[in-house]
Amino acid sequence: AQKVTQAQTEISVVEKEDVTLDCVYETRDTTYYLFWYKQPPSGELVFLIRRNSFDEQNEISGRYSWNFQKSTSSFNFTITASQVVDSAVYFCALRGSNYKLTFGKGTLLTVNP
Amino acid sequence: DVKVTQSSRYLVKRTGEKVFLECVQDMDHENMFWYRQDPGLGLRLIYFSYDVKMKEKGDIPEGYSVSREKKERFSLILESASTNQTSMYLCASSLWNGAVYQETQYFGPGTRLLVL
Repeated sequence: AQKVTQAQTEISVVEKEDVTLDCVYETRDTTYYLFWYKQPPSGELVFLIRRNSFDEQNEISGRYSWNFQKSTSSFNFTITASQVVDSAVYFCALRGSNYKLTFGKGTLLTVNP
Repeated sequence: DVKVTQSSRYLVKRTGEKVFLECVQDMDHENMFWYRQDPGLGLRLIYFSYDVKMKEKGDIPEGYSVSREKKERFSLILESASTNQTSMYLCASSLWNGAVYQETQYFGPGTRLLVL
């Protein structure tokens, strides 16, 4: 069985702070993919990143960075110098060897001016 | 860019009504999905389709059916709407590229359904 845990239900920061969203996963598959999605108040889930289980290199895209560590089954997401527009619910998701995409419960990030 | 559209952003229906939620994607994706999203429960898969006229049940198919007559269109049907089907419904699509776990699902804007 697959499981994704986002232990942080809500996080509130002040603009320009750095913030890390945690994601821990469980799977028996040796090959799998991990995803992060952003859901702003408008409701649409926006795809941010996909990583496969064989690539543990950290990824950086502008103010966003991702830290994938198989040893701890974690795929954490850091926003540097947060902005009000980063306010959203962020979902981590896992897909293994079947069709199913398993989502975490999401973390509501509020960035205050 | 991938474009997934849903027929309505907001919908209000009465208990017992038959409800159709439509989803259209313009990227020639083979796979399409319907999820519902509820506070505290996250996203749950209702049905998915991997080809025209093909469908598979997800985690919570009870009370729902689907139709995929054309590749670009995937419909979710509530045969007799009930108040516990009040929810946010999200459609997604993905490309089949030879390995199921590689696919990235792209989502539509969602339909907020209220059943009175």
